[in-house]
Amino acid sequence: EAAVTQSPRSKVAVTGGKVTLSCHQTNNHDYMYWYRQDTGHGLRLIHYSYVADSTEKGDIPDGYKASRPSQENFSLILELASLSQTAVYFCASTRTGGIAEQFFGPGTRLTVL
Amino acid sequence: GDSVIQMQGQVTLSENDFLFINCTYSTTGYPTLFWYVQYSGEGPQLLLQVTTANNKGSSRGFEATYDKGTTSFHLQKTSVQEIDSAVYYCAMSRNNNNRIFFGDGTQLVVKP
Repeated sequence: EAAVTQSPRSKVAVTGGKVTLSCHQTNNHDYMYWYRQDTGHGLRLIHYSYVADSTEKGDIPDGYKASRPSQENFSLILELASLSQTAVYFCASTRTGGIAEQFFGPGTRLTVL
Repeated sequence: GDSVIQMQGQVTLSENDFLFINCTYSTTGYPTLFWYVQYSGEGPQLLLQVTTANNKGSSRGFEATYDKGTTSFHLQKTSVQEIDSAVYYCAMSRNNNNRIFFGDGTQLVVKP
């Protein structure tokens, strides 16, 4: 069964600090995504990647960086965390070819104080 | 541009009520349409998907019909149960780098 895991599941960070959220998938999927979820705004795409060592900007990339060191791993990096980045973050993966289902991880709840 | 509109932020029903969640989309061409469901504490998961216009998708008692004329993909269920309480997202994709555009979600609360 498809599996996407995220770590940590919850994190409290201080304003101005660096935060790294990690995602690992065992689906052998080429595409991976980072979404942000806020009440009333649904799921918004931050960054995505379709191959290792390459990332693309989504709809709301400002204040975030992404890293895809391997097919299985995709990280989201907040170099200078801000209060406005408090949210739940989801990672997802999907296969190449056609329009396919995205498989989501369980999410990381980030609180910036 | 591409967008998905869900006007209902929250829907509250009693068990065995009829469910109807609105969804309209805006794009060019013929997108694939989805409904995802997110249970509390979990990530979203695919509920149903329809690729061809005028076709109907169904899963676990839920149905949605791809209506290209009205650019809508409303979700329905004849008789909801308490376990259906979740957030429902309407979404679409034009196979643009496998991107999916999500609506803002509708929180369904089903009271026993």
